[in-house]
Amino acid sequence: AQKVTQAQTEISVVEKEDVTLDCVYETRDTTYYLFWYKQPPSGELVFLIRRNSFDEQNEISGRYSWNFQKSTSSFNFTITASQVVDSAVYFCALSEFNDYKLSFGAGTTVTVRA
Amino acid sequence: GAVVSQHPSRVICKSGTSVKIECRSLDFQATTMFWYRQFPKQSLMLMATSNEGSKATYEQGVEKDKFLINHASLTLSTLTVTSAHPEDSSFYICSARGRSTETQYFGPGTRLLVL
Repeated sequence: AQKVTQAQTEISVVEKEDVTLDCVYETRDTTYYLFWYKQPPSGELVFLIRRNSFDEQNEISGRYSWNFQKSTSSFNFTITASQVVDSAVYFCALSEFNDYKLSFGAGTTVTVRA
Repeated sequence: GAVVSQHPSRVICKSGTSVKIECRSLDFQATTMFWYRQFPKQSLMLMATSNEGSKATYEQGVEKDKFLINHASLTLSTLTVTSAHPEDSSFYICSARGRSTETQYFGPGTRLLVL
């Protein structure tokens, strides 16, 4: 069975601070996919990134960056120079090859104060 | 691209009535659609998976007679909550996956309140 752990329940920062969200996963599959989604107060889940298990390159997209470390089964997400609009719940999720079902972590609520 | 809509966005109904929620992929063909349920301050729980033209596969503990799912076309899936009760009040979210991607794109969700 697959499992995703987001140990941080809530994080509060002041605008312009960096914030890193931790995600640790468990799976027996050798091929799997990792995702981050953002859920703002409106409720809609916004897709941020998908990472394949065989691609360990880190990725940067604007103020967002992701650090995938297979050796520690972690897929952490960093928001640089946070803004108030980054306030949301962020979910890490995992799906296994050919299964397509997503297992979600509990989510981390990020509050960015002006 | 990859836009998913849901309708209605919010519904209030009386206990015992049935409620239908529609999920549409607007700019792609959805091979698979998923239905989730989310209680306040909790994560998403998968209810069922549906492939176009076939019966939905329900997760353990989800009553298939209570939550009827129809995936009649490659762009539309419906969830009907039959004989709704107050404990069915929740946020229902659908997602859709295209043929050649592992990524699920989510609809905006439907808030159901059963009085």
